[in-house]
Amino acid sequence: QSALTQPASVSGSPGQSITISCTGTSSDVGGYNYVSWYQQHPGKAPKLMIYEVSNRPSGVPDRFSGSKSGNTASLTISGLQAEDEADYYCSSYTSSSTLEFGGGTKLTVL
Amino acid sequence: QITLKESGPTLVKPTQTLTLTCTFSGFSLSTSGVGVGWIRQPPGKALEWLALIYWDDDKRYSPSLKSRLTITKDTSKNQVVLTMTNMDPVDTATYYCAHTELLCFDYWGQGTLVTVSS
Repeated sequence: QSALTQPASVSGSPGQSITISCTGTSSDVGGYNYVSWYQQHPGKAPKLMIYEVSNRPSGVPDRFSGSKSGNTASLTISGLQAEDEADYYCSSYTSSSTLEFGGGTKLTVL
Repeated sequence: QITLKESGPTLVKPTQTLTLTCTFSGFSLSTSGVGVGWIRQPPGKALEWLALIYWDDDKRYSPSLKSRLTITKDTSKNQVVLTMTNMDPVDTATYYCAHTELLCFDYWGQGTLVTVSS
């Protein structure tokens, strides 16, 4: 059982927006602005999409955005595209100076 | 250009010790703020953070696996080594190493599948 809770699956049609939540506690998500999001296509290594809650690395489309409210962080993908279909994982720094991942969310583009 | 690559055995027997090496280029592990971490992923399951070593030799471990893990670095060889003792079939997974500077993993290796079986 992962320390951070994500929905197992979400879906949306091309062009729509979806949001994936990542719920933790005040000892991780709620306590630090070190939440990151990763995209993973089948058979591939994860790719960093968002860091420090809402920052995008160079090359990541601005359709991807991150936010946080209390103990829950969110990844929003707007203008959904077929290539966005993948697994998404959140990660957070913790009060123990460790890192942890969420259980992952499978995004299906209908 | 930052690259990382994992190497080690593809098959280990239960109770054996696993030793994995991460060989990297494009950055130095003696640069302030830089770290290398290990993450694993059992087939069809979620990512699991294992360990992290920083430029100043500070080491952090997953609380659930801390007793079995050791992470070390060889700055001159641009390598980070992870050892995991008392391997069990449930440890079968793809093991990744990754670069970090802001408590996130921005560059990843391709991963190496380790199977634990007698």
